[in-house]
Amino acid sequence: KAGVTQTPRYLIKTRGQQVTLSCSPISGHRSVSWYQQTPGQGLQFLFEYFSETQRNKGNFPGRFSGRQFSNSRSEMNVSTLELGDSALYLCASSITGQANTGELFFGEGSRLTVL
Amino acid sequence: GESVGLHLPTLSVQEGDNSIINCAYSNSASDYFIWYKQESGKGPQFIIDIRSNMDKRQGQRVTVLLNKTVKHLSLQIAATQPGDSAVYFCAEKEGATNKLIFGTGTLLAVQP
Repeated sequence: KAGVTQTPRYLIKTRGQQVTLSCSPISGHRSVSWYQQTPGQGLQFLFEYFSETQRNKGNFPGRFSGRQFSNSRSEMNVSTLELGDSALYLCASSITGQANTGELFFGEGSRLTVL
Repeated sequence: GESVGLHLPTLSVQEGDNSIINCAYSNSASDYFIWYKQESGKGPQFIIDIRSNMDKRQGQRVTVLLNKTVKHLSLQIAATQPGDSAVYFCAEKEGATNKLIFGTGTLLAVQP
């Protein structure tokens, strides 16, 4: 069974540009959540999607957005990139959006560097 | 902002010893507490979780202890192996959501 797949794995952008990251969850998983990981702030929740609806949103500016498609694949977008957006962006999936467990399945992440 | 475990300690142990990783959490309303392991270059991997109405749960070579009185969570790894070397994160979640609040992590270094 394939795991969570994130693309691209690495990318470099310049300030002011925008970026779109993609996540394909494990087959059958309908919930996708996104996290940002930086050395200074650690792992921080961005948002969660279930059945194409955003269920939760973290404390990030409106430049960060996401969406989920009918096949459960998800994308997140960051516009007007800032140096501080350099991070590892992690996607996690689970079977339902009402998990009675703490188990999420994470991808290996997309490493974004903003110059 | 919200946070769990604001420290990033490093724990160095000898192979074969038991390891104990600690974490403090902040939200009394959290109903699940979880431990994740992250190896270099990989995403976090689920280890074990515990519901808020429990105080101990055991898995294979791992035990999680929850003390709600002092908002403390610990992960015990028995007979630590070199393959256990990684950063360990505690996390908490509240309600029917997949929003996890992570701690800053503990680096476990296993010396052969």
